[in-house]
Amino acid sequence: AQTVTQSQPEMSVQEAETVTLSCTYDTSESDYYLFWYKQPPSRQMILVIRQEAYKQQNATENRFSVNFQKAAKSFSLKISDSQLGDAAMYFCAYRSAWTGTASKLTFGTGTRLQVTL
Amino acid sequence: DAMVIQNPRYQVTQFGKPVTLSCSQTLNHNVMYWYQQKSSQAPKLLFHYYDKDFNNEADTPDNFQSRRPNTSFCFLDIRSPGLGDAAMYLCATSTRLEGQGKEQYFGPGTRLTVT
Repeated sequence: AQTVTQSQPEMSVQEAETVTLSCTYDTSESDYYLFWYKQPPSRQMILVIRQEAYKQQNATENRFSVNFQKAAKSFSLKISDSQLGDAAMYFCAYRSAWTGTASKLTFGTGTRLQVTL
Repeated sequence: DAMVIQNPRYQVTQFGKPVTLSCSQTLNHNVMYWYQQKSSQAPKLLFHYYDKDFNNEADTPDNFQSRRPNTSFCFLDIRSPGLGDAAMYLCATSTRLEGQGKEQYFGPGTRLTVT
């Protein structure tokens, strides 16, 4: 079974600064997907960024980018130019590429990001 | 906009009194999921439907049931809620179509309080 570990329960960053959230995972599969989801307080969970394991290039979405190290099984999220609206719980999630079943996600325990002025 | 809708957003029920939470989607996705999320924890998958096929997680209590009468709607029934069932319940959808991103789309959740 796959596991996802987020070792930082809470992080804080000043507005306009850069922060990196850590995620490691364990799997014996070679093909899979990794995601970062954002869950703002009292609002729905939304996808921040997605990485396909077969792609060597790190995914980027505007101010959000990942550092995907497949051999190390590491998938960190970098948020540049942090904004107050980035304050949320961030979950790292894993999904097998095998399509024999629905796309079940394995979540980490989350990192609560606080953005200060 | 295509979306996942959950009603009600807040639900209060009494200990042991059956309660039903609902989820609807306009994405026309063939997979629908129910998660339980307790405070400051990761979402825990309870079960999912792939079309009409129901898939229960091994550790989901029998107290939790689900119905999916059509593609758009899915219900979570808690037959006899206990205090430990107080949580946020998240509905999510996804598609099996290739090239569709593989992610799940989440609703805003229903916060269940058991008194």
